[in-house]
Amino acid sequence: GAGVSQSPSNKVTEKGKDVELRCDPISGHTALYWYRQRLGQGLEFLIYFQGNSAPDKSGLPSDRFSAERTGESVSTLTIQRTQQEDSAVYLCASTEGFHYEQYFGPGTRLTVT
Amino acid sequence: KNEVEQSPQNLTAQEGEFITINCSYSVGISALHWLQQHPGGGIVSLFMLSSGKKKHGRLIATINIQEKHSSLHITASHPRDSAVYICAVKGYGSGGGADGLTFGKGTHLIIQP
Repeated sequence: GAGVSQSPSNKVTEKGKDVELRCDPISGHTALYWYRQRLGQGLEFLIYFQGNSAPDKSGLPSDRFSAERTGESVSTLTIQRTQQEDSAVYLCASTEGFHYEQYFGPGTRLTVT
Repeated sequence: KNEVEQSPQNLTAQEGEFITINCSYSVGISALHWLQQHPGGGIVSLFMLSSGKKKHGRLIATINIQEKHSSLHITASHPRDSAVYICAVKGYGSGGGADGLTFGKGTHLIIQP
């Protein structure tokens, strides 16, 4: 079946602009994660959605970052007033549940100029 | 917060060699993941384990819960195994970042023909 998809694959934006990144999880996967990978760095956890429970937002680096997910479908990660340090690959992963392996999307490469 | 350490950071070996990559973590976990990231960024989950040993083809993953240590082995290594191998651990989940994975910095493996 189809894997996790993300769009856009690449995004170049000017400092100060808002951006919206999209993740389409595998159908039926109740849990969805957003991660960030800065150049030369390891991955960082950003936010976790599980079904209709309140999301775990503890990894979001600032209040400029927010994410939404409607039910068990698409999720969007929004970064307001982008800064150069926001440049990174943003990865989404979905899973059947907490104790299952995660399936990663191809990522969105964000470049803030 | 769990600290995840991988070793070595970089490894270059000849085709056919037996490869071992190590991962240690500081706090008890519910599961440990081994991930493979190829140039271009795509991440594939290789194993998820919480005890014992798992094998898939030429790959073997082991975990020692008491010692908070896991190893990933590659037998009969091949140039196509060249990638970054990432260890990631998962807490018991109750928000506060425990719902997401905590990642090691990765091991850059190059297998020369």
